[in-house]
Amino acid sequence: QQQVKQSPQSLIVQKGGIPIINCAYENTAFDYFPWYQQFPGKGPALLIAIRPDVSEKKEGRFTISFNKSAKQFSLHIMDSQPGDSATYFCAALNTGNQFYFGTGTSLTVIP
Amino acid sequence: NAGVTQTPKFQVLKTGQSMTLQCAQDMNHNSMYWYRQDPGMGLRLIYYSASEGTTDKGEVPNGYNVSRLNKREFSLRLESAAPSQTSVYFCASRPARDTQYFGPGTRLTVL
Repeated sequence: QQQVKQSPQSLIVQKGGIPIINCAYENTAFDYFPWYQQFPGKGPALLIAIRPDVSEKKEGRFTISFNKSAKQFSLHIMDSQPGDSATYFCAALNTGNQFYFGTGTSLTVIP
Repeated sequence: NAGVTQTPKFQVLKTGQSMTLQCAQDMNHNSMYWYRQDPGMGLRLIYYSASEGTTDKGEVPNGYNVSRLNKREFSLRLESAAPSQTSVYFCASRPARDTQYFGPGTRLTVL
C-alpha cells in the first residue's frame, strides 16, 4: 500500500513552462514533506521541504503548495529549464523517523 | 567532507551468494537509512538506525540484515541473494530533525 501517491508518472514541458507535480497522503502523523531531485546515476538530493503549519514555501524557482485539509502537496517549477530535466520524488516523514516516498515523476524540459 | 559514501558501486551476484553493502558518513549524523529503488516504485525503506546501537525494520526488510557498527558506518547484508533483490541500493544519513543526505548508490544484479 503506497503511503504517498504521486502523479503524474512523467511530464514533458517546453522551456519556460511551469510543470506541476502532485502528491497525496493519508497518514495524519506525517509532519515533514520534502521533495527530492534525482539525476541519472546519482542519489536523490533535497530540493525543498515544508512542514504542515505552512501553506506555501518558495526557494528560487521551486515552490511547494501544501493543503493540510486535503492532505495534498505539490511542487511547481517556475520558468523551467532543460537542466531541470530529472526525476522528482515527494516524501513524507512520520514521527517514528521513517520516510515514505512517492513513486517519482520523470520531467523532461524541451529547449 | 565526503558526505555519504557507499561501496561497491556495482556488483553482480549469483542466486544464493551473500554480500555486504557498506555505507559510511562523516557528518556526525545520528540516523542512517537503507533504501532500495526499483523502477516505478520509488524508494522503499529496508532498515534504519535512529542512533548508534539501534536498528529498526522498514517497509521491505525480508532477506536483509543490517549492522550499525558505530556512528559513522551502517552496513546492509544479503545472506542468500535472490533475483528479486536486483535493485539500486541507497544509503542515507540524517541530522536530528532534518532531511536526509543520500549516497551515490550501489547497483546490484542477482542472476
